[in-house]
Amino acid sequence: EDQVTQSPEALRLQEGESSSLNCSYTVSGLRGLFWYRQDPGKGPEFLFTLYSAGEEKEKERLKATLTKKESFLHITAPKPEDSATYLCAVQGANSKLTFGKGITLSVRP
Amino acid sequence: GAVVSQHPSWVICKSGTSVKIECRSLDFQATTMFWYRQFPKQSLMLMATSNEGSKATYEQGVEKDKFLINHASLTLSTLTVTSAHPEDSSFYICSARFHDRSYEQYFGPGTRLTVT
Repeated sequence: EDQVTQSPEALRLQEGESSSLNCSYTVSGLRGLFWYRQDPGKGPEFLFTLYSAGEEKEKERLKATLTKKESFLHITAPKPEDSATYLCAVQGANSKLTFGKGITLSVRP
Repeated sequence: GAVVSQHPSWVICKSGTSVKIECRSLDFQATTMFWYRQFPKQSLMLMATSNEGSKATYEQGVEKDKFLINHASLTLSTLTVTSAHPEDSSFYICSARFHDRSYEQYFGPGTRLTVT
C-alpha cells in the first residue's frame, strides 16, 4: 500500500525565514510525486511534478527536490501570501494519487 | 491552462433529497476524472475514478448506489449524492487528468455540501 507522511504538521515562519517541508513516501512503481498548495475552502492548486530521484523544479520562492524515499519543498524568503496547506501526493503503479495529511504553513509579517 | 470548474460551490439540502455536483474541464479534454472527499483538517480521500464513456470505479467502502458518477463527455463529470444524510456533509472535490500531461491531476475549487 502506498503511503505518504508529511512533516511537520504545522510550521510557523517569520517573513523572510527560509525553511523546508518534508514528504516521506513508500510507493510501488513511482509514476510521479506531486506538490499542491491548498488554501482554506478551496481545491488544491498544482505546483510541481517530480518523476525521478535527483530531479528538481523551481517556481518563484519554491523549489522541490526528490530522492528515492522523500521529497522536500524548500521555501526561500517566504512572504505572508505563502501561508497555506501544502500537500504531497504520490502516484504509483495503480495510477491513483495517495495524499499526505498536509503541512499548514503560516508566515508572519 | 488546465482549469477545472465545479458547480455549485456550496449547497445546503434537506435529509433524504439528492444533490448533483458538476465538474468541468474548461480548456482541455480529460479522459479521466476523479472525485475526492475531504473532511475538516483531513487530507483528500479518493472516492472514485471515472473514464469517459465507461462506468466509474469506486474505492473500497464507497457506496456506488449512493454516490452516482456519470462521465458523459471528455469535459464533464457529475456526482449525484442520493438520499443525502447529515453524515454526507463534506467538501467534495473533483480533478481531471489531461491525457497529454502524464499523470498530472488538476483540481476543481470544491463543493461544500451541508445536509440538514
